[in-house]
Amino acid sequence: RKEVEQDPGPFNVPEGATVAFNCTYSNSASQSFFWYRQDCRKEPKLLMSVYSSGNEDGRFTAQLNRASQYISLLIRDSKLSDSATYLCVVTGSARQLTFGSGTQLTVLP
Amino acid sequence: NAGVTQTPKFRVLKTGQSMTLLCAQDMNHEYMYWYRQDPGMGLRLIHYSVGEGTTAKGEVPDGYNVSRLKKQNFLLGLESAAPSQTSVYFCASSYAWLAFTSVDTQYFGPGTRLTVL
Repeated sequence: RKEVEQDPGPFNVPEGATVAFNCTYSNSASQSFFWYRQDCRKEPKLLMSVYSSGNEDGRFTAQLNRASQYISLLIRDSKLSDSATYLCVVTGSARQLTFGSGTQLTVLP
Repeated sequence: NAGVTQTPKFRVLKTGQSMTLLCAQDMNHEYMYWYRQDPGMGLRLIHYSVGEGTTAKGEVPDGYNVSRLKKQNFLLGLESAAPSQTSVYFCASSYAWLAFTSVDTQYFGPGTRLTVL
């Protein structure tokens, strides 16, 4: 079983839609949680950290559920520029960051 | 402020050849990392460094060596390239050890696309 699992998608949504991604992780001792964004053939960049109480950054909301060991990302009012692959990143069993394989999002005009 | 740079951007090798990938950061970060990214696999940690003169193995270290002689540079070497090492290689750096804190980020370089024939 992978330490971090994501639905690879693709998710194809119209502009203005709300879309949600989930990510499950296996290490119950994980302490750090992030969502990164990766554009095609580019390097990953931090979208947002995920905190226990949940956090919001503009149109993006991240939630953490430690009991069920998953994190989520909600994108409201999707823009064309949101098209990218979203990577879930958590502390792995080796106490290093472990990356999910990503969820691909395409926002359609 | 260039952030994290990588050279070269592209490279094609024949099986058995050797090469070195160079990563440089100008943010005075202690921690540096080398990852490889393959389709459907996500980023996997090859080696990392927690400071000048230190290196450690990550998840997939076999076939690679690294050196951190200067704080700003982290070199990844392939001694005898194999087709299985065809991948996109990303270098990253961070101020903090991010397995224990969410208040920082890893900064990634633009990547090196390596093909081994």
